[in-house]
Amino acid sequence: GEDVEQSLFLSVREGDSSVINCTYTDSSSTYLYWYKQEPGAGLQLLTYIFSNMDMKQDQRLTVLLNKKDKHLSLRIADTQTGDSAIYFCAESMFSGGYNKLIFGAGTRLAVHP
Amino acid sequence: DGGITQSPKYLFRKEGQNVTLSCEQNLNHDAMYWYRQDPGQGLRLIYYSQIVNDFQKGDIAEGYSVSREKKESFPLTVTSAQKNPTAFYLCASSIQARGSFGNEKLFFGSGTQLSVL
Repeated sequence: GEDVEQSLFLSVREGDSSVINCTYTDSSSTYLYWYKQEPGAGLQLLTYIFSNMDMKQDQRLTVLLNKKDKHLSLRIADTQTGDSAIYFCAESMFSGGYNKLIFGAGTRLAVHP
Repeated sequence: DGGITQSPKYLFRKEGQNVTLSCEQNLNHDAMYWYRQDPGQGLRLIYYSQIVNDFQKGDIAEGYSVSREKKESFPLTVTSAQKNPTAFYLCASSIQARGSFGNEKLFFGSGTQLSVL
């Protein structure tokens, strides 16, 4: 079945690293994504990783992919108050002739001083 | 500036009323999508359209209708048959090649919050 799971909340101190975890079910997913949603706004694509990669780094963001365990994580280094948002993990699934994105429920990241 | 525009930002529906949410994009994207977001849940797909004059039901299409008469526009109507319409509605678009295993990056609008009076 289609299911992407994430923990719902994470609280970190400003300046620390944040690690948001995600598990997915479809081993044939070609791409996995991280989206960020600020209050009352749409989703913004943060980063993505191709399924044949183990790691991708983009400035303060590091994505780790463990295909064997179907586990994806997003690490934010030096977390700032502006990073407070909901973070969604998504996997792509080819279904009905097109690529469909399956989203997790989102992890709410709270950054405190 | 290229992007996706949703309107209105807030919408109120009376019982038995149909309401229409607007979504316009100037990104020249072929594919457009409507998602529903409820607190503590992931995004659920309502309808999608891969090309003008064609659209398909998503996972929760009951009580909703769409049209795709122009490439730029994909309005969503929440009908009176939708008994629990209160939610945040998000429109998205992507460069979509049918049958592709490509990277389907979605671009989202800023959303419409629909509430029932």
